[in-house]
Amino acid sequence: GAVVSQHPSRVICKSGTSVKIECRSLDFQATTMFWYRQFPKKSLMLMATSNEGSKATYEQGVEKDKFLINHASLTLSTLTVTSAHPEDSSFYICSARSRGIDPNYGYTFGSGTRLTVV
Amino acid sequence: GNSVTQMEGPVTLSEEAFLTINCTYTATGYPSLFWYVQYPGEGLQLLLKATKADDKGSNKGFEATYRKETTSFHLEKGSVQVSDSAVYFCALSAPYSGAGSYQLTFGKGTKLSVIP
Repeated sequence: GAVVSQHPSRVICKSGTSVKIECRSLDFQATTMFWYRQFPKKSLMLMATSNEGSKATYEQGVEKDKFLINHASLTLSTLTVTSAHPEDSSFYICSARSRGIDPNYGYTFGSGTRLTVV
Repeated sequence: GNSVTQMEGPVTLSEEAFLTINCTYTATGYPSLFWYVQYPGEGLQLLLKATKADDKGSNKGFEATYRKETTSFHLEKGSVQVSDSAVYFCALSAPYSGAGSYQLTFGKGTKLSVIP
């Protein structure tokens, strides 16, 4: 089945530094990638949607200059948290789907990245 | 807009007990409905889905029926196991005009703990 590999699974960084999270689709072409943030005991908050080769569409309240999304190829999308601060600490999850796959079949999720900013 | 409401947790059950997690939705048109499961420290996995009214999704002993008249998609399992302990998310998929693509709308999740 479809697999999305997300790395790193855990990262600890110092306040003010930038962190890059990668999501790769291993056996399908991810024409659309969704990036979510999950707060403790809360649901997933959609941050942005990106289509391959296009600029990402950010949800209201999400700072596009802070959360940089690149989706330059059909198998790789990255989320860079720039100038990270402790309040950015969270669990980030990517989800991908292919244009060729009926959305009724669901979406493939990465395993998530636990970001801790100290 | 689209929304999903599911019962607040946490839910604690003894092994072999019956499980029901309620989920209702609001959506325009005819969404597809999903249940996802998240095990500790992991991403989400699709548990089951239903794409039209009266469809029943099933997997690993879990079932949910798409009820259009009550806009519900309740998750059930007749006999839970310790290994079922996880967070369960109800979700719907509907066209997302902003990005020209379908988008999942999630409920807040229900944490299930099964004790031996």
